[in-house]
Amino acid sequence: DTAVSQTPKYLVTQMGNDKSIKCEQNLGHDTMYWYKQDSKKFLKIMFSYNNKELIINETVPNRFSPKSPDKAHLNLHINSLELGDSAVYFCASSQVVSGGQETQYFGPGTRLLVL
Amino acid sequence: AQSVTQLGSHVSVSEGALVLLRCNYSSSVPPYLFWYVQYPNQGLQLLLKYTSAATLVKGINGFEAEFKKSETSFHLTKPSAHMSDAAEYFCAVSGGANNLFFGTGTRLTVIP
Repeated sequence: DTAVSQTPKYLVTQMGNDKSIKCEQNLGHDTMYWYKQDSKKFLKIMFSYNNKELIINETVPNRFSPKSPDKAHLNLHINSLELGDSAVYFCASSQVVSGGQETQYFGPGTRLLVL
Repeated sequence: AQSVTQLGSHVSVSEGALVLLRCNYSSSVPPYLFWYVQYPNQGLQLLLKYTSAATLVKGINGFEAEFKKSETSFHLTKPSAHMSDAAEYFCAVSGGANNLFFGTGTRLTVIP
């Protein structure tokens, strides 16, 4: 009955590899997000999808590609992993009402370590 | 543009003492403001949010925050700290288009 779930929880991989992180929400929300939290705990939005369409794409290397097969899922694929990609990646979801007052519900995070 | 500044990356209080975590915001439009809590190795959980209804907002776990437009502040308080309150706290402002801008976080330590 987890609202926002992510897999895997931990991911350790070598530089240069390609990896994917999956996110699913069962809240019926129409908007999903990916955030990156760096080693200093700073949280920054990466992408936002509304009804499977990209609406926010912050300055993120094009090695990162989000994919939304349906509005309950937003996966993050990362090509050619670099050391600096090591971070915690959070998925979130919300239901758009108006004006940005919606609560975003966060998943438990995926801890990515690139060696 | 929207941003928040959290004063104090680390706050320590004794169990039973007042908790005060500071947040100042900058926004070119009337802001929506949020406080989230992150327990170790977990995701973020909403504590409370301000959406222009009441300036004093009550949240979960006994926390509350007051929106003060004249001071551009949204400080988080709790009258009596509990050991279970030890966590990282994030203030955030909505930039519209469902975009949240987070502060750098404040780690709360509760001393027994």
